[in-house]
Amino acid sequence: DVKVTQSSRYLVKRTGEKVFLECVQDMDHENMFWYRQDPGLGLRLIYFSYDVKMKEKGDIPEGYSVSREKKERFSLILESASTNQTSMYLCASSLTGQGAAGYTFGSGTRLTVV
Amino acid sequence: QKEVEQDPGPLSVPEGAIVSLNCTYSNSAFQYFMWYRQYSRKGPELLMYTYSSGNKEDGRFTAQVDKSSKYISLFIRDSQPSDSATYLCAMIKAAGNKLTFGGGTRVLVKP
Repeated sequence: DVKVTQSSRYLVKRTGEKVFLECVQDMDHENMFWYRQDPGLGLRLIYFSYDVKMKEKGDIPEGYSVSREKKERFSLILESASTNQTSMYLCASSLTGQGAAGYTFGSGTRLTVV
Repeated sequence: QKEVEQDPGPLSVPEGAIVSLNCTYSNSAFQYFMWYRQYSRKGPELLMYTYSSGNKEDGRFTAQVDKSSKYISLFIRDSQPSDSATYLCAMIKAAGNKLTFGGGTRVLVKP
């Protein structure tokens, strides 16, 4: 019973390309998050959204943007991919008021920028 | 300085041993504390969730929180090879829904 689905497990893109990472959840969660995970640095928050068409910057938003046109879908956009954006990208969702215990993560997208 | 510090390991133990993991944090605003387990090529999954200082047990897992020392721990008793994974501590402030993660500790339980 997959609840948070990330469209791609592995992606290889060229420097300068515009890259779209898609995330879909089927739990009717209000909150959605994009993290990147790098060895030794753990998970770092890129962007999050509390509602449709709403977005807020996380800790490392530079070089990224997001789109949330529907409640179940949250897209991460790399406007012009660079090699330092090679990373594992994780999407998560949660219900408002259950933030402490209610995060569900997708399986991740491993992006390589060459 | 990171808000949450966690030794990256790897921590290698024989099957049946107790695994001891910990994190320290600097911001006293953190109120809820979690441990996530992440297998290779998978997303993190919630393992334990605690609020108050003290111990919480769930089967072979015990989570400890010491807010006065800003220190949390996870113990795994009777460790199994299937416990081999990366363990991430995470915490959240009372207001807001954003988790802050430690860097993760890689654990290897050898048969």
